[in-house]
Amino acid sequence: DGGITQSPKYLFRKEGQNVTLSCEQNLNHDAMYWYRQDPGQGLRLIYYSQIVNDFQKGDIAEGYSVSREKKESFPLTVTSAQKNPTAFYLCASSPRVATSGNTIYFGEGSWLTVV
Amino acid sequence: SQQGEEDPQALSIQEGENATMNCSYKTSINNLQWYRQNSGRGLVHLILIRSNEREKHSGRLRVTLDTSKKSSSLLITASRAADTASYFCATGDSGGYQKVTFGTGTKLQVIP
Repeated sequence: DGGITQSPKYLFRKEGQNVTLSCEQNLNHDAMYWYRQDPGQGLRLIYYSQIVNDFQKGDIAEGYSVSREKKESFPLTVTSAQKNPTAFYLCASSPRVATSGNTIYFGEGSWLTVV
Repeated sequence: SQQGEEDPQALSIQEGENATMNCSYKTSINNLQWYRQNSGRGLVHLILIRSNEREKHSGRLRVTLDTSKKSSSLLITASRAADTASYFCATGDSGGYQKVTFGTGTKLQVIP
């Protein structure tokens, strides 16, 4: 089935560690996104990528890094510089970004907890 | 900052009743979308309405858009327990790229 696969579903991070969340899509979408969602809150954009080897900071990029070496993959690294990383992370994708109004497709999310 | 603000933040109704959620936004938009999120899951797209449209239907969903008031409403008719979820509006700005901003959501509980 076509869709977006995020892994792991649950992840625990110790203080000072970097962790990487995986996101893979087989929808052949050009654009990919990472959002952060805190309990009872809306989504905040961390990073987005419109094409391979290109990505842009979103509203809350500090303490995060991404790469887009392949069209289908957009991993997110939560670095030790992110002081409050405990949250629900959502990866998403959409067709060619040049057209406004594209539906955004979401993965099932990854829960990250600092221990 | 968040563009859309949903109202109410939480809504509890009996099965079979209608549920209405509202979304207000601040700046000009090209389109507005509604998404649904079951607890602990990803978001699922429900419906998109463009800035030149006033009303749109999809099954039991009815969405209206009033650009003069910068507001939209989502009506779910004949609600079911399975409609229990959070509902988010998302606005697409008039810029050239896909910058979509999500609201804070309405948490709907449908009681069987």
